Amino acid sequence: QKEVEQNSGPLSVPEGAIASLNCTYSDRGSQSFFWYRQYSGKSPELIMFIYSNGDKEDGRFTAQLNKASQYVSLLIRDSQPSDSATYLCAVNGAGNQFYFGTGTSLTVIP
Amino acid sequence: GAGVSQSPSNKVTEKGKDVELRCDPISGHTALYWYRQSLGQGLEFLIYFQGNSAPDKSGLPSDRFSAERTGGSVSTLTIQRTQQEDSAVYLCASSLGRFSAEQFFGPGTRLTVL
Repeated sequence: QKEVEQNSGPLSVPEGAIASLNCTYSDRGSQSFFWYRQYSGKSPELIMFIYSNGDKEDGRFTAQLNKASQYVSLLIRDSQPSDSATYLCAVNGAGNQFYFGTGTSLTVIP
Repeated sequence: GAGVSQSPSNKVTEKGKDVELRCDPISGHTALYWYRQSLGQGLEFLIYFQGNSAPDKSGLPSDRFSAERTGGSVSTLTIQRTQQEDSAVYLCASSLGRFSAEQFFGPGTRLTVL
């Protein structure tokens, strides 16, 4: 079992819709959770991080964490074509190792 | 200010040769990370430095891989006797400290082993 699992997609949503990206992790002791965005041929860039159960909102982005279910999600409201990218879920495990999922490819259709 | 830089940007080598990849983190960032990303795959964590120390080297794929960091700044990742399966993009990231949330990534080194 991989440390971090994501649906690889591709996920397609129309412009203006809500995009929902999901991630599960195996290490119950994980404390920090991150969402990175990676455009094709580029390096990842951080969008959101979350430490506590519940929701964390930043502009059009909302991260949701449920430690009991070992589940992290990212919601993108009012999706724009510029949001089209691969979204990587990352978890900070024991020993400060970081585990990344394989990413979910999102396409926002104008 | 300058971001994380990596060199070379591209490296093509023959199977069996040694390669050295360099990472120059953001000034003042004490934590430095190496990852590998193969085509269509996520980021594979290789090693992490806090200062010049690497507390956990278990992420390195084999004993052909080694990394060092000197002066709390530049880091080099060395791959000895390269194999075709080593072909990937090698990404370096740095952050302010061990518990800093944000890692800043460099542009990566694309390694191709023929």
